[in-house]
Amino acid sequence: ELKVEQNPLFLSMQEGKNYTIYCNYSTTSDRLYWYRQDPGKSLESLFVLLSNGAVKQEGRLMASLDTKARLSTLHITAAVHDLSATYFCAGGNTGNQFYFGTGTSLTVIP
Amino acid sequence: EAQVTQNPRYLITVTGKKLTVTCSQNMNHEYMSWYRQDPGLGLRQIYYSMNVEVTDKGDVPEGYKVSRKEKRNFPLILESPSPNQTSLYFCASSLIGAGANVLTFGAGSRLTVL
Repeated sequence: ELKVEQNPLFLSMQEGKNYTIYCNYSTTSDRLYWYRQDPGKSLESLFVLLSNGAVKQEGRLMASLDTKARLSTLHITAAVHDLSATYFCAGGNTGNQFYFGTGTSLTVIP
Repeated sequence: EAQVTQNPRYLITVTGKKLTVTCSQNMNHEYMSWYRQDPGLGLRQIYYSMNVEVTDKGDVPEGYKVSRKEKRNFPLILESPSPNQTSLYFCASSLIGAGANVLTFGAGSRLTVL
């Protein structure tokens, strides 16, 4: 069974600052996903990372994958209030099961 | 509009009263799955389906049943709900294939079992 651990669980940061959310997983995973959930809402896909060294960027968010270290990161550049949400990473296996981390609740303070 | 539709969105029921949460997608996705979200535990997969008549257990299948008689529908059945099944439930679907399996989620169904 794939175990996915995120840290930190809670993150409060000031607007304009940079920070990184970490996602460690326990065994080989075919692919690594990042999702965003706004309060009271559903989850929306941000990134899917399929290979070692993969890097994807969208706006102020950049995700990367290091399969040797079993680590994915979600880097936030110059945070703005609109980025306040809960971010989940998830690993998938060849059996098409998905394993989610516990989520990182991000609050960006003006 | 491409979407996953769940119903009901909110439900309060009593222990032992059978209920079904429906899930329908209009994207012709092969893969459908159910998750429950609990505070501090993230999302946990309950069941998933690769195609019609093909279903498999996820991480926490106990107390739940599913069926996939049509490609677009994947209902979640609680035959005898108990209070520990009080949770927020999400249905999701995706295409299957390299680079795919990016899940599209429904809006969620909040279930309270008294």
